[in-house]
Amino acid sequence: AQSVTQLDSHVSVSEGTPVLLRCNYSSSYSPSLFWYVQHPNKGLQLLLKYTSAATLVKGINGFEAEFKKSETSFHLTKPSAHMSDAAEYFCVDSGGYNKLIFGAGTRLAVHP
Amino acid sequence: NAGVTQTPKFRVLKTGQSMTLLCAQDMNHEYMYWYRQDPGMGLRLIHYSVGEGTTAKGEVPDGYNVSRLKKQNFLLGLESAAPSQTSVYFCASSLAGYNEQFFGPGTRLTVL
Repeated sequence: AQSVTQLDSHVSVSEGTPVLLRCNYSSSYSPSLFWYVQHPNKGLQLLLKYTSAATLVKGINGFEAEFKKSETSFHLTKPSAHMSDAAEYFCVDSGGYNKLIFGAGTRLAVHP
Repeated sequence: NAGVTQTPKFRVLKTGQSMTLLCAQDMNHEYMYWYRQDPGMGLRLIHYSVGEGTTAKGEVPDGYNVSRLKKQNFLLGLESAAPSQTSVYFCASSLAGYNEQFFGPGTRLTVL
């Protein structure tokens, strides 16, 4: 069965340091991959998406993700964390027609 | 544009009571979805619709019913609420099945 694995349930960084949130997928076909962010008591907002046009995808708020087929990975990065980045992040695979397969989420904490 | 809106934002039910959650979107999207979010489990698809008058089961459909009488609205019903249905419910919509989904702000439901 298709699945999405987020390798860290919690990540803690200091403000101004890099962020790395790790995601592996298991699609046997060429996936459509997304990163969503959820701030406390809010809905999910799309950060970026990969749809095979380019392996390095730039999103909003300075985030980017690199699709690596050989590693079946789609890790999310940001060069310098900001306090407002504290939230939960979900890696998502389109899972084929009509379905999204969610990872369990990574909670990012940013300390002053 | 309001995007995706959900009514109500919060609700407390007693076991056995019924209720309907309303989702509305103003983006002329064909596809609409209902998810539930529980701690540590990401989002799980309850039901979805690929167009006005159509509905289909998702991953966790038991205990829920849906209707899509108008393109812009997608209703989720609980006929006899159970404590296991305590969760945060999110509605989403998309232009097509493989596109990114746009999420509403969520409804926090507690069943006592």
